[in-house]
Amino acid sequence: ELKVEQNPLFLSMQEGKNYTIYCNYSTTSDRLYWYRQDPGKSLESLFVLLSNGAVKQEGRLMASLDTKARLSTLHITAAVHDLSATYFCAVDGSKLIFGTGTLLAVQP
Amino acid sequence: DAGVIQSPRHEVTEMGQEVTLRCKPISGHDYLFWYRQTMMRGLELLIYFNNNVPIDDSGMPEDRFSAKMPNASFSTLKIQPSEPRDSAVYFCASSLGLGAGIFYEQYFGPGTRLTVT
Repeated sequence: ELKVEQNPLFLSMQEGKNYTIYCNYSTTSDRLYWYRQDPGKSLESLFVLLSNGAVKQEGRLMASLDTKARLSTLHITAAVHDLSATYFCAVDGSKLIFGTGTLLAVQP
Repeated sequence: DAGVIQSPRHEVTEMGQEVTLRCKPISGHDYLFWYRQTMMRGLELLIYFNNNVPIDDSGMPEDRFSAKMPNASFSTLKIQPSEPRDSAVYFCASSLGLGAGIFYEQYFGPGTRLTVT
């Protein structure tokens, strides 16, 4: 059974700092997705990673996928308060399995 | 495009009552998904359809839950009878398929917040 783990579960960081969220998964897959969820809101697609070595960047966020290590990272550069949200990775096995989410709080 | 549309946005009902949640996917998307989100269990896939046909319903928690997709633009998730532990946010999502069961990114609706008292 595919399991998806994210860490950390909670991340409090100051504006201007860099940090990385990790997403590990248990079985082979070369398709991984990152989503953002604001409190009380729906999920918004951030990145779709469809092959080993894929790297996508949008603004201060960069996502990468290493299928051999079964690891994806979401790197935050020079965080700003607007990035505060919960971030989910989701891995495509026989169905999409979501990680536990990482609650990111960027302090001004 | 209006995106995925769900109704109602909020539903409060008493235990034992029937609840029906509705979803309109993005036009042209051939996959539709129903998810449930709770603090305890996170985001869980309940069922998904391809071209209106249910493909995987292994996430449906009990026989009290049923889902239908009578046409490409409408799906329902029904709970009968409802119980307090069904309280959650229910999301509908849709996506294009890349073939061979490979999905492209899923677009989520705003969700229905269900409270069963």
